Amino acid sequence: NAGVTQTPKFRVLKTGQSMTLLCAQDMNHEYMYWYRQDPGMGLRLIHYSVGEGTTAKGEVPDGYNVSRLKKQNFLLGLESAAPSQTSVYFCASRRRQVWEQYFGPGTRLTVT
Amino acid sequence: AQSVTQLDSQVPVFEEAPVELRCNYSSSVSVYLFWYVQYPNQGLQLLLKYLSGSTLVKGINGFEAEFNKSQTSFHLRKPSVHISDTAEYFCAVTPVSALSGGSYIPTFGRGTSLIVHP
Repeated sequence: NAGVTQTPKFRVLKTGQSMTLLCAQDMNHEYMYWYRQDPGMGLRLIHYSVGEGTTAKGEVPDGYNVSRLKKQNFLLGLESAAPSQTSVYFCASRRRQVWEQYFGPGTRLTVT
Repeated sequence: AQSVTQLDSQVPVFEEAPVELRCNYSSSVSVYLFWYVQYPNQGLQLLLKYLSGSTLVKGINGFEAEFNKSQTSFHLRKPSVHISDTAEYFCAVTPVSALSGGSYIPTFGRGTSLIVHP
């Protein structure tokens, strides 16, 4: 099993550009999460999904959109990137009633 | 709502010395507790978890943690650290009961950087 994979690993955007981050898991997990990690801030939840076709806002959802059209994929979109969105983005997943999360390797995004 | 406080942002220690990383939480509902480790340029991986039962839980790589309900703490310990334990450590909680909307939103602390010197 590949576990949780994230594409791309690195990306540089100019302010105002858009992009989509892809998270894929092959463990048949119901729950999926997108976090951002900033120095001294820990992990903050952006959006999450409890199943295919459902998404919900987390702690810091502004400027991001998500979609979960297939159970194994969770997409994070930035419609108009801002320098404040420079961060490392982590995707995670877990099985219902099994509480630990499995994390991807992260995507380092820089917005100039 | 819940919150997690990791009391030390950085903990320097010499190799083979014991270490304790502190975590306190607050929550209006019962929670499950976790410690995750993040090695440089990697994602997080689970070290250990407390769901129920014995308050002393053992994890991977010789780490253990003790749940103290009265002090709302879940401190992580290792009796003798190695250079390879240098990493960022995150404490996290997840509510036992579903919040409105039927979900279980996890909350992470800000992390403690463990730096092991030779």
